[in-house]
Amino acid sequence: GENVEQHPSTLSVQEGDSAVIKCTYSDSASNYFPWYKQELGKRPQLIIDIRSNVGEKKDQRIAVTLNKTAKHFSLHITETQPEDSAVYFCAASQFSNDYKLSFGAGTTVTVRA
Amino acid sequence: NAGVMQNPRHLVRRRGQEARLRCSPMKGHSHVYWYRQLPEEGLKFMVYLQKENIIDESGMPKERFSAEFPKEGPSILRIQQVVRGDSAAYFCASSFRQGMNTEAFFGQGTRLTVV
Repeated sequence: GENVEQHPSTLSVQEGDSAVIKCTYSDSASNYFPWYKQELGKRPQLIIDIRSNVGEKKDQRIAVTLNKTAKHFSLHITETQPEDSAVYFCAASQFSNDYKLSFGAGTTVTVRA
Repeated sequence: NAGVMQNPRHLVRRRGQEARLRCSPMKGHSHVYWYRQLPEEGLKFMVYLQKENIIDESGMPKERFSAEFPKEGPSILRIQQVVRGDSAAYFCASSFRQGMNTEAFFGQGTRLTVV
């Protein structure tokens, strides 16, 4: 099955700086890569996703990049704000069973004011 | 549209008791997915159901766990004879079409504590 590894496990950044989270996946058949943000005690919320037919996607201060050859993808948050503090999860799934997301272990991001 | 509703939000059970977790999908959604989140870990897929059908239960433990999504009413995740290792947050998600990449939304989760 798919194995998704995520680094770092914790990340502390100064407000206004950028945060980068990296994930690798093992199954070359995976073609959908979402990122979820989970605040303490809350539901995971999809913040951005990318499919294997594109290499980069941006939405305001958030961007994702995908390197299919190396089987890794990254989340970039620019101009971080205190409300960006949360746990971020990457995930991957295949087109054939796109209901079965394999999640990374999460990155706890703390934005220092 | 109230979103995906899960209840209870918190559930405490003694070892050996049964736990029933309910998930009401968003209006119009007929696909439901259950995931489990152990402390400080990512979510892990358990089961995918459509109305009256289990589509994929490959992530379900082979014993004590069962799930259903009847024609009427919420989807139920049932854990019999709970053990401490069952303590986790259980999330369901729903979608209009198959797939977590088709605008699926998670509920708030049920936090199960086994004492």
